[in-house]
Amino acid sequence: VIWVTQSPSLLSASTGDRVTISCRMSQGISTYLAWYQQKPGKAPELLIYAASTLQSGVPSRFSGSGSGTDFTLTISCLQSEDFASYYCQQYHSFPYSFGQGTKLEMK
Amino acid sequence: VQLVQSGAEVQKPGESLRISCKTSGYSFTSYWITWVRQMPGKGLEWMGRIDPANSDTNYSPSFQGHVTISADKSITTAYLQWSSLRASDTAMYYCARERGSSGHDYFDFWGQGALVTVSS
Repeated sequence: VIWVTQSPSLLSASTGDRVTISCRMSQGISTYLAWYQQKPGKAPELLIYAASTLQSGVPSRFSGSGSGTDFTLTISCLQSEDFASYYCQQYHSFPYSFGQGTKLEMK
Repeated sequence: VQLVQSGAEVQKPGESLRISCKTSGYSFTSYWITWVRQMPGKGLEWMGRIDPANSDTNYSPSFQGHVTISADKSITTAYLQWSSLRASDTAMYYCARERGSSGHDYFDFWGQGALVTVSS
């Protein structure tokens, strides 16, 4: 089992800020990592896959980086619609696993 | 691509239940379907997956033996079922389409979720 540690669990920021969210794996996963955004009462949506590839239609202010065990999601200039929860997910091996989530709230 | 899930359910402990995920807009047998649980106020948990082409399945050890995932190619629908519900099964359940390469898949399209409440 690959354990995923996501931090922080809560992040307070303002529109226009640059924020980063981190995920650390208990073992190397190459770049088999995805990021999802979830708004209250809605299903998650795919933002990034293969650690750094932006899903079609996702704004370019979102970016991902990392390989092996350490990964980051960066939002370069927060917009009001970005306040949501974010999850990383490893798909290197079964069982697939998610980070605990980061709630991004308005400061 | 659309995944439309069945509606909210309220069941008693010990009862059985099957929820569905009706897909459209793509070749159903070309992509695995995965199921994800989200307990109230909590994060996402991967439950298991099915290859609709041949009904091969993989389960998380946390859910193996407690749920069954199935699919019906003729109506492009996947299912998640319980034979004996527990109060701790109260959660939102999402189906999602997998994309990637065999065994290395992320989830590109999601259903809207189905809320299951188990209470006596």
